[in-house]
Amino acid sequence: QKEVEQDPGPLSVPEGAIVSLNCTYSNSAFQYFMWYRQYSRKGPELLMYTYSSGNKEDGRFTAQVDKSSKYISLFIRDSQPSDSATYLCAMSAEGTALIFGKGTTLSVSS
Amino acid sequence: ETGVTQTPRHLVMGMTNKKSLKCEQHLGHNAMYWYKQSAKKPLELMFVYNFKEQTENNSVPSRFSPECPNSSHLFLHLHTLQPEDSALYLCASSLSGGAGEAFFGQGTRLTVV
Repeated sequence: QKEVEQDPGPLSVPEGAIVSLNCTYSNSAFQYFMWYRQYSRKGPELLMYTYSSGNKEDGRFTAQVDKSSKYISLFIRDSQPSDSATYLCAMSAEGTALIFGKGTTLSVSS
Repeated sequence: ETGVTQTPRHLVMGMTNKKSLKCEQHLGHNAMYWYKQSAKKPLELMFVYNFKEQTENNSVPSRFSPECPNSSHLFLHLHTLQPEDSALYLCASSLSGGAGEAFFGQGTRLTVV
């Protein structure tokens, strides 16, 4: 079993839709959870950071961590064409480097 | 810009060439990383430096040789690469090794011919 599983998509939605992106993981020691957004030919850009369990909201983005289920989610409300990108989940345990999912490619059409 | 700068942005090299990738961070971080990103694969961690000391080498072939002269600079020296080494090489930094958020540069797109 891979440490981090992420459905690569692609995921296509109309403008204004609510998007749900998810990752599952196997290592119960993971405590730091991140979502990155990567546009074509660019480096990953940190979008959301959560420590341990719970929710975090930033504008149209909400990150959720459920450690009991080893499941993390990113919700995008009122999606825009500019949200079209690849979204990478990443996580780490204390003192270890980030482990990434494969990324989900999202396309938002106007 | 994220405060992590990589040069060059694009590199084409022959299998017998020697080249180096450079990364510089202006964030005051103490940990720096090299990742490899290939199509349809997760980012692969290559090397980790924490306070200039290499703390992780993820079974990377010896044709990749990292160097970290100080906490702000990181190099990846390349020699006798193979075509399958063609990928996007990403540098990242964080406050300290394994302590949460890492910030990435824009990457070097490497093509080995």
